[in-house]
Amino acid sequence: DIQMTQSPSTLSASLGDRVTITCRASQSFSSWLAWYQQKPGKAPKLLIYKASTLESGVPSRFSGSGSGTEFTLTISSLQPDDFATYYCQQYNSYPWTFGQGTKVEV
Amino acid sequence: QVHLVQSGAEVKKPGASVKVSCEASGYSFRSYGISWVRQAPGQGLEWMGWISTYNGNTNYAQNLQGRLSMTTDTSTNTAYMELRSLRSDDTAVYYCARDNGLGSHYWGQGTLVTVSS
Repeated sequence: DIQMTQSPSTLSASLGDRVTITCRASQSFSSWLAWYQQKPGKAPKLLIYKASTLESGVPSRFSGSGSGTEFTLTISSLQPDDFATYYCQQYNSYPWTFGQGTKVEV
Repeated sequence: QVHLVQSGAEVKKPGASVKVSCEASGYSFRSYGISWVRQAPGQGLEWMGWISTYNGNTNYAQNLQGRLSMTTDTSTNTAYMELRSLRSDDTAVYYCARDNGLGSHYWGQGTLVTVSS
């Protein structure tokens, strides 16, 4: 199984900050990675797929990059709606494992 | 619009089974697979498995093999997830999601399954 490790687990940030979340994989793969945002009591929302493709309707302040074993999600200027928990998920091979999550808080 | 509507909350005793449904609308059901993901209280997301709505092929997380079954009914555009021999650590919110192998673009609202004696 491919293990996905996110860092940091918690991130304290302020409005307008540039935020970067990293997801490291236990095995190398190309671009089969997605990023999700989840708010309390809600289903996850897809932000990025294929490592860097922005899902329709997602603000352009979100971006994704990476390949191999290191992937990043960047929020260019943190907005009030962005305080949430973020997860990466690999789709390279079954099981399609998630990272443990990164909580972005004030 | 694409909608995935899940069945309601369940309370089960240890050892029992639960079957959660996920009714899809707004798209061609057989064109996209369905993933099931669960989230225990205060915990992260756990991928449970995926089913092809085209041919019924499945892939399950190894830790759930033997207790988990995913099926579909293409006549009603509904996917089902059945988990047997429930334990207290199966208490979670269970989600279905439309998944094309690139990401889960649409999600159900979640179904809380509580396992308690």
